[in-house]
Amino acid sequence: DQQVKQNSPSLSVQEGRISILNCDYTNSMFDYFLWYKKYPAEGPTFLISISSIKDKNEDGRFTVFLNKSAKHLSLHIVPSQPGDSAVYFCAASGGEYGNKLVFGAGTILRVKS
Amino acid sequence: EPEVTQTPSHQVTQMGQEVILRCVPISNHLYFYWYRQILGQKVEFLVSFYNNEISEKSEIFDDQFSVERPDGSNFTLKIRSTKLEDSAMYFCASRSLRSDGCFGPGTRLTVT
Repeated sequence: DQQVKQNSPSLSVQEGRISILNCDYTNSMFDYFLWYKKYPAEGPTFLISISSIKDKNEDGRFTVFLNKSAKHLSLHIVPSQPGDSAVYFCAASGGEYGNKLVFGAGTILRVKS
Repeated sequence: EPEVTQTPSHQVTQMGQEVILRCVPISNHLYFYWYRQILGQKVEFLVSFYNNEISEKSEIFDDQFSVERPDGSNFTLKIRSTKLEDSAMYFCASRSLRSDGCFGPGTRLTVT
């Protein structure tokens, strides 16, 4: 039962261009969404979050968009840099899940220089 | 910047042995979590801990698992009798009321 889905296992982008990572969820009770970045042999690092009362949150090169009616969120990275190459996890919390995080499977982003 | 630390970074143990994975959360955080990621699979929630007791646990967190905060700083995960399928990366996380979860670097557990 995949409550949080990241349907693209990998994405390859040229340095300087926009990276768009997508995430879909099925549980309408989720009210808080997060993106984490993970390098090999390290723990997930928090990137950016968004509450369900917003549809956009921006932090530097990272912007998260939330479309509640479509149960879809996306992470935009612009401009992409080689150091952004990592696995990106979408996570959600809220509803019956309380404050624990339900993770997507992750998307491997490769930024080519 | 404060960070969550975990020890050891890699633990190899034989099936049936007990292991204790240790975490030092960020000092002013109130909520503590263990997650795990089996190789090639999703990051999965195991247990959350608040106010010195388990607040939630997943189906994975059966009687073989326990957590403790023995001294107000460490947060440990014990697996009493390890199984091959317990091999995974185990991540500790902590957060305060207003912060998002901060994860530790993980402990790679290998059960042989």
